[in-house]
Amino acid sequence: GEDVEQSLFLSVREGDSSVINCTYTDSSSTYLYWYKQEPGAGLQLLTYIFSNMDMKQDQRLTVLLNKKDKHLSLRIADTQTGDSAIYFCAESRAGNNRKLIWGLGTSLAVNP
Amino acid sequence: DTEVTQTPKHLVMGMTNKKSLKCEQHMGHRAMYWYKQKAKKPPELMFVYSYEKLSINESVPSRFSPECPNSSLLNLHLHALQPEDSALYLCASSQVFRLAMFNEQFFGPGTRLTVL
Repeated sequence: GEDVEQSLFLSVREGDSSVINCTYTDSSSTYLYWYKQEPGAGLQLLTYIFSNMDMKQDQRLTVLLNKKDKHLSLRIADTQTGDSAIYFCAESRAGNNRKLIWGLGTSLAVNP
Repeated sequence: DTEVTQTPKHLVMGMTNKKSLKCEQHMGHRAMYWYKQKAKKPPELMFVYSYEKLSINESVPSRFSPECPNSSLLNLHLHALQPEDSALYLCASSQVFRLAMFNEQFFGPGTRLTVL
């Protein structure tokens, strides 16, 4: 995860918005992904963004990409207790979409 | 069917044992992956099969031996493991697209392996 960085913990109150941030270093990134992992479970793709886009919205999720600063964020609106999980940012690079470069993950705790 | 299944869910083995992990998908995906994940860490890629041929081996020790007997099945054979190999082993599958294209990997729930 040395090429993709995330803050490790985030705690929010139920109903508030959560913003999880990620920075990456490689300018050849083609796609950036957000995966969610609930305790004891596998990973689930939440959303993704192509590197020439700057925003993508999908129901409660908004992804913002600042390609100049190599900064990606995931906003979860109206956060629920079921959103408590680890969120991994990952990138794929030109010429190899089968190997993802992963961040260390952000553990989101949602308090009632 | 959009599910990747893995068996067993949990496995405890001694350092001299031989065991196998199994993974199955029926989504018609022709790329399959093995990952190792330690607690609170991101998954680490181990192997990738593409059209049933090994295409990526991330310098994994030979005590881990993958096998892809057909397009739906992926095995990981384990022999002479060490306690530090204890981890969650995740299988994933995906379509095989051109290398610059979007590629969603679908993950199984994992096998929790403990090596005593």
